[in-house]
Amino acid sequence: NAGVTQTPKFRILKIGQSMTLQCTQDMNHNYMYWYRQDPGMGLKLIYYSVGAGITDKGEVPNGYNVSRSTTEDFPLRLELAAPSQTSVYFCASTLGNTIYFGEGSWLTVV
Amino acid sequence: AQSVTQLDSQVPVFEEAPVELRCNYSSSVSVYLFWYVQYPNQGLQLLLKYLSGSTLVESINGFEAEFNKSQTSFHLRKPSVHISDTAEYFCAVSDEGFKTIFGAGTRLFVKA
Repeated sequence: NAGVTQTPKFRILKIGQSMTLQCTQDMNHNYMYWYRQDPGMGLKLIYYSVGAGITDKGEVPNGYNVSRSTTEDFPLRLELAAPSQTSVYFCASTLGNTIYFGEGSWLTVV
Repeated sequence: AQSVTQLDSQVPVFEEAPVELRCNYSSSVSVYLFWYVQYPNQGLQLLLKYLSGSTLVESINGFEAEFNKSQTSFHLRKPSVHISDTAEYFCAVSDEGFKTIFGAGTRLFVKA
């Protein structure tokens, strides 16, 4: 059972470039999330989804977009990368109240 | 709105000593409370959770936390820490829905 899988693990972007962080889960969870983690700030919710075709904004959605065409996949897109988006990104899914996290994607924008 | 405050950003402690990581929350509704642990370069893993029932909850590796409604706290304790407990610990709160709010984290550093 793979759980929550994120790719890529590491990426360096130039300012203004775009990219997509991929996330897939094989646990048939309806709820999925994207968080970013910055030092001393804990995790901030970017976007979440309660099921295929349904997404909503979290605490810090600006500069990001998501889609949820299937239960398994929840990609996060950065359209115009900015240095403020340098962070560690975690995808997660939930069963009941327990969150299952991916291993993280380290993104640096230069 | 919910919020979580972890009162210590770093806690250094010697091996085999007791430790307490403090967490306070605010919420206007019934809450579920969690502690997650993050080892270097990994994602977060659930350590323990309080949903209802007994206010004292335990993990399989010796940690425990007590839900105190009157003080709105959910402090994490371990009577004797090991080097392998060195990690970052996050307190989190969730309402009866599905959105979870995390604290800023407490870095536990266990010294030999």
